[in-house]
Amino acid sequence: NAGVMQNPRHLVRRRGQEARLRCSPMKGHSHVYWYRQLPEEGLKFMVYLQKENIIDESGMPKERFSAEFPKEGPSILRIQQVVRGDSAAYFCASSPPTSGRNLYEQYFGPGTRLTVT
Amino acid sequence: AQSVSQHNHHVILSEAASLELGCNYSYGGTVNLFWYVQYPGQHLQLLLKYFSGDPLVKGIKGFEAEFIKSKFSFNLRKPSVQWSDTAEYFCAVKGYNTDKLIFGTGTRLQVFP
Repeated sequence: NAGVMQNPRHLVRRRGQEARLRCSPMKGHSHVYWYRQLPEEGLKFMVYLQKENIIDESGMPKERFSAEFPKEGPSILRIQQVVRGDSAAYFCASSPPTSGRNLYEQYFGPGTRLTVT
Repeated sequence: AQSVSQHNHHVILSEAASLELGCNYSYGGTVNLFWYVQYPGQHLQLLLKYFSGDPLVKGIKGFEAEFIKSKFSFNLRKPSVQWSDTAEYFCAVKGYNTDKLIFGTGTRLQVFP
């Protein structure tokens, strides 16, 4: 059973370009979470999605960042007009449909390291 | 504000030494607690989790953690570390009625043979 897959693993963008990060959840998982890890900091929650729905985007910057999880295909985290401060590791996690809030865990992908030059 | 504090940023031990990594959280309400490990070049893996019941939780690879509600702590322990335990360790908390994890800044553990 393949784990959570993220691509690309490394992405270099110039300031002003767009970055697209992809996440394929584990088979059978319908919940996707995106986290960002800035240098010397812990992972910070960005957004939680289920298929075709954004459930919680309280951690998303108000501008330039968007996320989607379409009915078919991977979840996409999109950063428009990237700036140097966007350089970070972006982690995706997935979890199965939950029968109870205390019964699940999040499985993490290997991350995408974004460098903005 | 909800937060997780990991007091030790970098820990260096010799093999067979005992390990305790501190984790304190600030969160109003019922919580679920987690320890994740990230080995060099790999993704985060769950070491152990606490949801309810016995506050002493046993995880994989000989790790355990104790939830002390009165101290808002969930410290990670291992009686005898191995070189292969070299990794970064993250403590995380989840509110009972939410789905997002709040992480500490991580502790880098180096174990020398």
